[in-house]
Amino acid sequence: SQELEQSPQSLIVQEGKNLTINCTSSKTLYGLYWYKQKYGEGLIFLMMLQKGGEEKSHEKITAKLDEKKQQSSLHITASQPSHAGIYLCGADMYGNKLVFGAGTILRVKS
Amino acid sequence: DSGVTQTPKHLITATGQRVTLRCSPRSGDLSVYWYQQSLDQGLQFLIQYYNGEERAKGNILERFSAQQFPDLHSELNLSSLELGDSALYFCASSAGVQGFPLTNYGYTFGSGTRLTVV
Repeated sequence: SQELEQSPQSLIVQEGKNLTINCTSSKTLYGLYWYKQKYGEGLIFLMMLQKGGEEKSHEKITAKLDEKKQQSSLHITASQPSHAGIYLCGADMYGNKLVFGAGTILRVKS
Repeated sequence: DSGVTQTPKHLITATGQRVTLRCSPRSGDLSVYWYQQSLDQGLQFLIQYYNGEERAKGNILERFSAQQFPDLHSELNLSSLELGDSALYFCASSAGVQGFPLTNYGYTFGSGTRLTVV
């Protein structure tokens, strides 16, 4: 969706390195979701952010939503091969319709 | 297992045919969403149902239709299939009032139905 821009489109990192994926909208986001998808499989819910400035962490993954609620970042610390996959940001832009960014393909080299 | 069940997992059919995809939402979730994922279009929202009623429509073709039944399961009907309809079709469900998801759960996705039109 062009309503949500994700960057980078793809990323190859060495195991153990940190990385950041960004998700940007020109509109205020009423709910920002991060999902992970293995190729050809279902989406796994990671985190949801609603409040400006909110930050959530789960294991080695941290997601933040900026104060204006128009940009979110997903940060992975000390990446592992299990982190590989497609990361998708989604947003409630119209109240009850979740739209997605194009996704970021992450590969982790051992 | 996410709690959202989609059947069948794989479907191969010929152009011009009609198929039905089925989705059982997570127990207690009243909202069901359908998405189409293809390589060139990404993940596209098709339609949402809340407690049996259509609530939101996205990029759904006129050849496609959906419904949600009293037991809350949903079906997506695809007719006059074309090669370009080949994609992964996902169903998601959410709890909450009026279809808005609860913070801790978000939208729960099923594992999808891979449709191949030949």
